[in-house]
Order: sequence, then structure tokens, then C-alpha cells
Amino acid sequence: GAVVSQHPSWVICKSGTSVKIECRSLDFQATTMFWYRQFPKQSLMLMATSNEGSKATYEQGVEKDKFLINHASLTLSTLTVTSAHPEDSSFYICSAREIMGEGMDTQYFGPGTRLTVL
Amino acid sequence: KQEVTQIPAALSVPEGENLVLNCSFTDSAIYNLQWFRQDPGKGLTSLLLIQSSQREQTSGRLNASLDKSSGRSTLYIAASQPGDSATYLCASEGMDSSYKLIFGSGTRLLVRP
Repeated sequence: GAVVSQHPSWVICKSGTSVKIECRSLDFQATTMFWYRQFPKQSLMLMATSNEGSKATYEQGVEKDKFLINHASLTLSTLTVTSAHPEDSSFYICSAREIMGEGMDTQYFGPGTRLTVL
Repeated sequence: KQEVTQIPAALSVPEGENLVLNCSFTDSAIYNLQWFRQDPGKGLTSLLLIQSSQREQTSGRLNASLDKSSGRSTLYIAASQPGDSATYLCASEGMDSSYKLIFGSGTRLLVRP
């Protein structure tokens, strides 16, 4: 199957700093990518839909000015957590949608990025 | 608004046992239903995807069923092995063409040797 990578796999930062997480589709083009957040022992919560060449669509309750999403190319979306605080510490996972047609479109998930804010 | 629920939240079984994981959803207007596996600290691995027009899908020892009318899906694991220990998540995709997946809370499975 297709591969989605994330970088970095883990990051520790000080409160108040900004952190950028990259999501790449390695062997296919993805016009749509998704960003999820997962707290310990909880499920994935969709944060936003990243659309290539246009603004991201944020889910209710997600601050767009805090979680900046850029989808500048068909293989790369970035999530920047601005002015990070300890409560932003979480596991961030992206997914990319591969268009296969005929109802066979598939989302592939990245390995996740563990963010710890001190 | 779609809500996806998984029961049980945790399950511990001896090796070799057959088991069933349950997933229920409130809105039957789904495009598909997907089962994933997540190992601790890792991303998601897709196991099975059932289109709304299908009743079940099989892959090796795994069988997933879908009953839209009752809003339920099950994942059946035959002859469980310690390597099956992981968290299993189900997710539904709606008919609104947004491609969004709504995830259940997951079932943490432990298969004891």
C-alpha cells in the first residue's frame, strides 16, 4: 500500500514556542490530507481537513490561529502548533487520501508525531 | 452528528480463542466502515474496509461484517495470537463527500500466551 511519513516522530519543546510537523505522501499525490489528535488511551479526533492549494477546513472547537495548516503541494501538508502549551501535548497523526476511483479511495495514515510541551 | 461507539473498551483472552469486537454507529448513511489496528505509540494500519453496499470483508483470520440497518459492525478474529494484541479502531465515512472519518474509542485487546 501507499506510504505516508511524518516528521519529526517526536518532539519536546518549551512552552510558548512553535512546532512544525510535516506529513508527506511518498508515492502518490494527495489533494486532501487530514490532521488528527489523539490523547492517551483515547480515540483519534479530527482537527482539520487540509486541501492542496486552498485553506484548511477546521473542525468545531479547533483554533485555526493556533494550529496552522499549509498544504502547498500534492505531497506535503504541514501543521504548525503556535505558542505551544502543555495542554497541546498529544499524539498528532496525519492521513492522506489516495484517489483510486470507483469507490476505492483509501486513506493512508502516517506513523504519528508525539509532541511534549514542557 | 455521527457517533461511533466500540464495546468492549478492553478485552483479555487466552491465545487461540476466537473473539468478536463490536462497533456501533448512530447514522446509517455511511459511505463505508473501516477497521484499523494501532500498536502503542504508533500510527494506524488499515485492516478491512467495507463499502456501504457490502455485508462483509475477509482477510486471513479477520472477518468484518456490516449491518447498516442496525448501525453495527463486528470484527471477528479467529484463533487469536499474542501478536494480535493491539488497539482496534473502527471508523465510518459519511455520505457527505467530505471524506472525513469518525472514529470509535477503540478496543484494547490483549491476547495472553
